[in-house]
Amino acid sequence: KQEVTQIPAALSVPEGENLVLNCSFTDSAIYNLQWFRQDPGKGLTSLLLIQSSQREQTSGRLNASLDKSSGRSTLYIAASQPGDSATYLCAVSYGGATNKLIFGTGTLLAVQP
Amino acid sequence: EAGVAQSPRYKIIEKRQSVAFWCNPISGHATLYWYQQILGQGPKLLIQFQNNGVVDDSQLPKDRFSAERLKGVDSTLKIQPAKLEDSAVYLCASRSSGDWQFFGPGTRLTVL
Repeated sequence: KQEVTQIPAALSVPEGENLVLNCSFTDSAIYNLQWFRQDPGKGLTSLLLIQSSQREQTSGRLNASLDKSSGRSTLYIAASQPGDSATYLCAVSYGGATNKLIFGTGTLLAVQP
Repeated sequence: EAGVAQSPRYKIIEKRQSVAFWCNPISGHATLYWYQQILGQGPKLLIQFQNNGVVDDSQLPKDRFSAERLKGVDSTLKIQPAKLEDSAVYLCASRSSGDWQFFGPGTRLTVL
């Protein structure tokens, strides 16, 4: 069964800290992996997309890495800010006709000012 | 570019009632998805359309859920009759030919 797990479930850090969110997936034959942000009462915003052939992607203070063979990805947030507070979701796709996303349960991040 | 639109944003109904959600994808996006997100969980795919045809509805509870995408543009998801466990956020997403999926704000359903 294709499953995605995220650790930790919740995280609280003081402003300015660097932090790492973890994602693991059981079936390593992924097509790509995405990290999303979800704010309360809002939909999902895609942050980074890593193709299976890539090792990492960067956008501003965000860096996502992918180790396909071990079934793991990490999202690194540098110099965290209160505005980074949200739920972060990891999702994998196995391509094919559907290219559907299989999501983890998310990490709830709170950055304290 | 306008995003994915969904309505209503919130809906409260009693069990055994029916409810319908509407989604308008990004213009030109052929692929449309409906996801169900139960509190504390990640979204789960219910149904996927390619234009107006169903690609995957393997996780749609077909005894009570139905969906259509007339003319390959807007889509409607219906629940009839609703159960308590249907309380969730229903997310619509659309995709063009690339890999990125764009999500709407969701409809939060509460079944009492």
